[in-house]
Amino acid sequence: GAVVSQHPSRVICKSGTSVKIECRSLDFQATTMFWYRQFPKQSLMLMATSNEGSKATYEQGVEKDKFLINHASLTLSTLTVTSAHPEDSSFYICSARGQGESSYEQYFGPGTRLTVT
Amino acid sequence: LAKTTQPISMDSYEGQEVNITCSHNNIATNDYITWYQQFPSQGPRFIIQGYKTKVTNEVASLFIPADRKSSTLSLPRVSLSDTAVYYCLVDAVGFGNEKLTFGTGTRLTIIP
Repeated sequence: GAVVSQHPSRVICKSGTSVKIECRSLDFQATTMFWYRQFPKQSLMLMATSNEGSKATYEQGVEKDKFLINHASLTLSTLTVTSAHPEDSSFYICSARGQGESSYEQYFGPGTRLTVT
Repeated sequence: LAKTTQPISMDSYEGQEVNITCSHNNIATNDYITWYQQFPSQGPRFIIQGYKTKVTNEVASLFIPADRKSSTLSLPRVSLSDTAVYYCLVDAVGFGNEKLTFGTGTRLTIIP
């Protein structure tokens, strides 16, 4: 099946710094990628939807200037958490939707654990 | 208004069949029903998807009644490794609505 990877798997950063998380579709082209955030014991919350070559669409309440999303190619999307604070500590998960017959299914990455100290 | 409603948690013994029911009273004609499994600190994993009646694959079965207002995920002969959170989602497929909305999920605990 289709594989989505994320890098890094976990990151610790100091408050005020920026962190970039990469999401890659390894064996298919992803026209659309999604970024989710998940706090402990809670469900996944969609943050934004990104389409290759266009600006991301952010969900209500998600600051677009704080969570920068770039989807420059059909296999790579990045999420940059700018000026991170401890409350941004969370589990960030990306997913990708492919092209063609499998376009109805979303494939999820393994997640990135961000800890801001 | 929540799209789906599931039990918050369930316990079961190893070797038993587990059925998790999801209510989706407002399901639309274009909506499909999809179940995902999530282990701690991992991304969700697709289990099964269906539109109506019964769907079966190598890991689970999905039962959908004629009115489609609910669905039941059936896991045969569960093992300890099936301990996870199971999410039921209803969303349009291939009709331009691309977002997946996750509900609370069901935390399934398998007891030895």
